[in-house]
Amino acid sequence: NAGVTQTPKFQVLKTGQSMTLQCAQDMNHNSMYWYRQDPGMGLRLIYYSASEGTTDKGEVPNGYNVSRLNKREFSLRLESAAPSQTSVYFCASLRGAGNNEQFFGPGTRLTVL
Amino acid sequence: QQQVKQSPQSLIVQKGGIPIINCAYENTAFDYFPWYQQFPGKGPALLIAIRPDVSEKKEGRFTISFNKSAKQFSLHIMDSQPGDSATYFCAAAPFGNEKLTFGTGTRLTIIP
Repeated sequence: NAGVTQTPKFQVLKTGQSMTLQCAQDMNHNSMYWYRQDPGMGLRLIYYSASEGTTDKGEVPNGYNVSRLNKREFSLRLESAAPSQTSVYFCASLRGAGNNEQFFGPGTRLTVL
Repeated sequence: QQQVKQSPQSLIVQKGGIPIINCAYENTAFDYFPWYQQFPGKGPALLIAIRPDVSEKKEGRFTISFNKSAKQFSLHIMDSQPGDSATYFCAAAPFGNEKLTFGTGTRLTIIP
């Protein structure tokens, strides 16, 4: 099992460019998450998906869109990148059904110039 | 707003010492309190978790102490080792809610 995988690992964008961060899990988990991690801010939830076809805003959704393509994949899109979106992005999944452990991917380090 | 306050921001302890990281919460609906450990360049991973029906939980050298009346919980690492050097995050979630609220993290360094 690969667990949670994310691509790319690193990305540099110019202000105004768009990109999609990809996430996939092979653990048959129902719920998936996108977080951003910034120094001194901890992990902040951007979007959440409880199941295929459903998404819900988290604490910091502005400037982002998501797609839960199927049970395995959950993508995060930046339509017009801004320097404030420079961060490390983590995808996570959760088994559910009473098990609250979230499994995290290795992260994508994004720099917006 | 920050619903889970974590301290200290950074901590340096000698090998064998007992680092203690503290978290305080405001939402009385929280009933699941995990700690995550993150090594540089990696994603966080669940270390240990507690529910409010017990005041303490131990797993190996890691212990969570929970004080429901004070709305505080803490992580203790016994006989700390240089390999424990990492960033630690506390978190909380209400019953039946799969969304975690994380603390701001503590960068722990264990010096030989």
